Amino acid sequence: AQTVTQSQPEMSVQEAETVTLSCTYDTSESDYYLFWYKQPPSRQMILVIRQEAYKQQNATENRFSVNFQKAAKSFSLKISDSQLGDAAMYFCAYRSARYRDDKIIFGKGTRLHILP
Amino acid sequence: DAGVTQSPTHLIKTRGQQVTLRCSPKSGHDTVSWYQQALGQGPQFIFQYYEEEERQRGNFPDRFSGHQFPNYSSELNVNALLLGDSALYLCASSHDIGAPMNTEAFFGQGTRLTVV
Repeated sequence: AQTVTQSQPEMSVQEAETVTLSCTYDTSESDYYLFWYKQPPSRQMILVIRQEAYKQQNATENRFSVNFQKAAKSFSLKISDSQLGDAAMYFCAYRSARYRDDKIIFGKGTRLHILP
Repeated sequence: DAGVTQSPTHLIKTRGQQVTLRCSPKSGHDTVSWYQQALGQGPQFIFQYYEEEERQRGNFPDRFSGHQFPNYSSELNVNALLLGDSALYLCASSHDIGAPMNTEAFFGQGTRLTVV
């Protein structure tokens, strides 16, 4: 069974600084997808960034980028120029690439605080 | 586009009772998944519905059941409620395009269920 581990329950960063959230996962599959989701106090889960395991190039979305290390099964999220609106719970997540195996497996989350 | 809508937003039930939660998927989506998010944890997959049938199920007891209607909306039913069923229940919808990695899963804002 696949597992996702986030070892940082909480992190803080100064506004405009850069922060990196860590995630490791375990799987025996060779093809899969990895995600970072943001959950603000409104509770709605919002997709931040997605990485396909078959792609060597790290995904980037504006101020958000990932460091995907497939051999090490590591998938960290870097947030540059942190803004107050980035404060939220961040979840690392895994999804198999098997057809119609749509379930998303989430880590326990990291609460990110932005200090003004 | 209203996105994924869930009702009710909050609910308080007594142990042993039964509860029904509802989800309307995003326009154009035909697949609905349900997740349970206990306090301080990441969401856990309950089950997924497609074409009015349960397509995939997580590790949840039979007390958890669901239904999908012809208009793609869905219900989650929980019987014989336990205190441990207190959680945020999230619904996610997506579109099955007949290939791996369907469209992005969009989440609703959840129903907060408290069992007393």
